[in-house]
Amino acid sequence: GQQLNQSPQSMFIQEGEDVSMNCTSSSIFNTWLWYKQDPGEGPVLLIALYKAGELTSNGRLTAQFGITRKDSFLNISASIPSDVGIYFCAGRTRAAGNKLTFGGGTRVLVKP
Amino acid sequence: DAMVIQNPRYQVTQFGKPVTLSCSQTLNHNVMYWYQQKSSQAPKLLFHYYDKDFNNEADTPDNFQSRRPNTSFCFLDIRSPGLGDAAMYLCATSRAGFGAFFGQGTRLTVV
Repeated sequence: GQQLNQSPQSMFIQEGEDVSMNCTSSSIFNTWLWYKQDPGEGPVLLIALYKAGELTSNGRLTAQFGITRKDSFLNISASIPSDVGIYFCAGRTRAAGNKLTFGGGTRVLVKP
Repeated sequence: DAMVIQNPRYQVTQFGKPVTLSCSQTLNHNVMYWYQQKSSQAPKLLFHYYDKDFNNEADTPDNFQSRRPNTSFCFLDIRSPGLGDAAMYLCATSRAGFGAFFGQGTRLTVV
């Protein structure tokens, strides 16, 4: 079945830093989605990507749909304290139709 | 304005007592999903509907059932909740092929 490998599993940020996380798979995806989830809440859609090579921004967030269609990355520029949370990638393959599979998540924490 | 609404936010049920969680949407999306999420883990897909077409995941226990009486509403029925079914249950909707939007989730406690 489809598996999405998300890395890193966790990271510490300092205010003002740029951070990056990515998702890879052995399967070809036709949709990549990036979500942020705060404790006790549902995931919030940050960016949706539909074409290989697509680069899309949403404020300080930028995500790209990899050219091989097997990966995607999310960058956060000039991080602020409210960027703390869990970020998930999710994707669909053509074979699986509307099934939406999630990566394991990247937990973003503030450096003490 | 909330577009995917889950009720209740918190549900406590007794071991073995059937429970129903509900989801409604104002987006008129044709796809609806139910996910189970346990602490610090990724959401796990239980099943999804494309219009009235029901798609069950192979590893979803028979204890979990779903109903979608119309486009706007979808229900998750847990026939005999066990302690291991305590989790956050997330509903999401999408237009086929597009980004999915989640509700706030229902936190289920089994006592």
